[in-house]
Amino acid sequence: GAVVSQHPSWVICKSGTSVKIECRSLDFQATTMFWYRQFPKQSLMLMATSNEGSKATYEQGVEKDKFLINHASLTLSTLTVTSAHPEDSSFYICSAKRGGPSTDTQYFGPGTRLTVL
Amino acid sequence: AQTVTQSQPEMSVQEAETVTLSCTYDTSESDYYLFWYKQPPSRQMILVIRQEAYKQQNATENRFSVNFQKAAKSFSLKISDSQLGDAAMYFCAYRSSYGQNFVFGPGTRLSVLP
Repeated sequence: GAVVSQHPSWVICKSGTSVKIECRSLDFQATTMFWYRQFPKQSLMLMATSNEGSKATYEQGVEKDKFLINHASLTLSTLTVTSAHPEDSSFYICSAKRGGPSTDTQYFGPGTRLTVL
Repeated sequence: AQTVTQSQPEMSVQEAETVTLSCTYDTSESDYYLFWYKQPPSRQMILVIRQEAYKQQNATENRFSVNFQKAAKSFSLKISDSQLGDAAMYFCAYRSSYGQNFVFGPGTRLSVLP
């Protein structure tokens, strides 16, 4: 089956620094990728939709300037948490949509655990 | 906006027994997809089963089956012959036919007792 990777799997950083998380579709092209956030013992909440070659679409309440998303190629989307603070500590999961508008198969990455000290 | 509700935060089942996890959703759309995802301690989301709303037949995948009641907006998951490896968080999810992102329920933590 299709594989989506995320790097790093776990990152610890100091408050005020920026952290970049990569989401890659390894064996297919993904025109659309999604970024979710999952707090401990909670569900996944959509943060933003990332389309290749265009600006990301953010959900209400998600700060665009804090969570920078770039989808520069058909296999890579990045999420940069700028000036991270302890409240940004969370589990970040991406998913990648395979195929065109008529298909609806998505694959999840393994997630990235971010801890901000 | 669509919402997904899972009324059972935690469930437990004896190994080899059957358990049913509940899910209800709210939507004004007529065409959509419903999913059950499993999230084990590794946190990797694993697709368990999916159902297209236009199909009346309930989806099945080996020991996993659903009871899809479109009029009632209900989508329960039945796990037969439960195994220790089935222990995980289970999320019910909705996706529009034309939209692309998932809307997840709050999850049900399933424990399997030996």
